Amino acid sequence: LAKTTQPISMDSYEGQEVNITCSHNNIATNDYITWYQQFPSQGPRFIIQGYKTKVTNEVASLFIPADRKSSTLSLPRVSLSDTAVYYCLVGNNAGNNRKLIWGLGTSLAVNP
Amino acid sequence: EPEVTQTPSHQVTQMGQEVILRCVPISNHLYFYWYRQILGQKVEFLVSFYNNEISEKSEIFDDQFSVERPDGSNFTLKIRSTKLEDSAMYFCASIPGGKEQYFGPGTRLTVT
Repeated sequence: LAKTTQPISMDSYEGQEVNITCSHNNIATNDYITWYQQFPSQGPRFIIQGYKTKVTNEVASLFIPADRKSSTLSLPRVSLSDTAVYYCLVGNNAGNNRKLIWGLGTSLAVNP
Repeated sequence: EPEVTQTPSHQVTQMGQEVILRCVPISNHLYFYWYRQILGQKVEFLVSFYNNEISEKSEIFDDQFSVERPDGSNFTLKIRSTKLEDSAMYFCASIPGGKEQYFGPGTRLTVT
């Protein structure tokens, strides 16, 4: 499974756009890129998933360049409640083995 | 919105004792997972379960661990003889067959 690298921590302010970049140089052809959010003492929560180009949902956008060796999670206009750890994961959606291999994630602190 | 539930929320046990952590996945989901997260560390895959059998397990999931789906709804993780290093948050997750893993709120296991 592909290993991911992302910044350990980031700081931002309310109302700003936050971009968290993840590198995954060894991503396989069948792998998707998935981002999860985790608050302290809670289970991770799915944010967004993509394979290539751009994906947008009601909470975030995911930008994936053509070589797919990196991806950027974009959170528009963050609020204090977006303070959390954000994990970038790669893996495939096929078959009955879809375990996720987690890194340390990016700890985002949103300040007033 | 349906959600994964886990009981108990916090379990304190003495070293060497057996514990059973319980999870109720979302009905009609097909794939089930257990993960653990030691305080301040990354989420670690333990085991995946599909079609009433283990599909993959990590090196952490040794003979002290077992999983069952005894009644078609509950999904349990048993640790036969707990060690101090088993202290962690244990998360259950389930997938309907698509891309998103739905995580439960976790059980905090404290081994003294």
